Amino acid sequence: SQKIEQNSEALNIQEGKTATLTCNYTNYSPAYLQWYRQDPGRGPVFLLLIRENEKEKRKERLKVTFDTTLKQSLFHITASQPADSATYLCALDLNQAGTALIFGKGTTLSVSS
Amino acid sequence: DGGITQSPKYLFRKEGQNVTLSCEQNLNHDAMYWYRQDPGQGLRLIYYSQIVNDFQKGDIAEGYSVSREKKESFPLTVTSAQKNPTAFYLCASKTGGTSSYEQYFGPGTRLTVT
Repeated sequence: SQKIEQNSEALNIQEGKTATLTCNYTNYSPAYLQWYRQDPGRGPVFLLLIRENEKEKRKERLKVTFDTTLKQSLFHITASQPADSATYLCALDLNQAGTALIFGKGTTLSVSS
Repeated sequence: DGGITQSPKYLFRKEGQNVTLSCEQNLNHDAMYWYRQDPGQGLRLIYYSQIVNDFQKGDIAEGYSVSREKKESFPLTVTSAQKNPTAFYLCASKTGGTSSYEQYFGPGTRLTVT
């Protein structure tokens, strides 16, 4: 069966450390993988997109990797801050038209000072 | 300010009543989407529209209906046929074609049916 899993429902880390969130999938062949941030009671906000032929993408303190052999994406936040506390969603983009975005359940990150 | 607006933020209805959730965007995006989010679940696609006067069912369309009479508006009606309508509803939009892939989300409407 097709599945997308974000391994941890919750992740607690200390300020200044690197947070690493995992997204695994089975029986999908996504062309792209996207990461979104969602704050409580609000809509998700797009963070990064990585293509199937890209190994790594960076944006400021964020880094995403995409391993199509392992069927896994890792999302890193370096030098984490309390303001990074939120739920992070990964989404598989199956057809590039945005009509087949499959979202994971999310990982809730808490950064303590 | 460009963006997506959803109204109202909170909505309460009695079982058996239809209710319409509003979604408006001024981003000039061609495509619009409706998702449902339940606690502990990923976002699930209800309906989407890639152009005016055309829309397609998503994974969980039963009990819902939509219209797309204007580019900027994509209202969702939750009918009495929807078995578990209480949820957080999110509207999103994106540019058409493959020039951009990210979706822009509205603030959501939390619907409670009792």
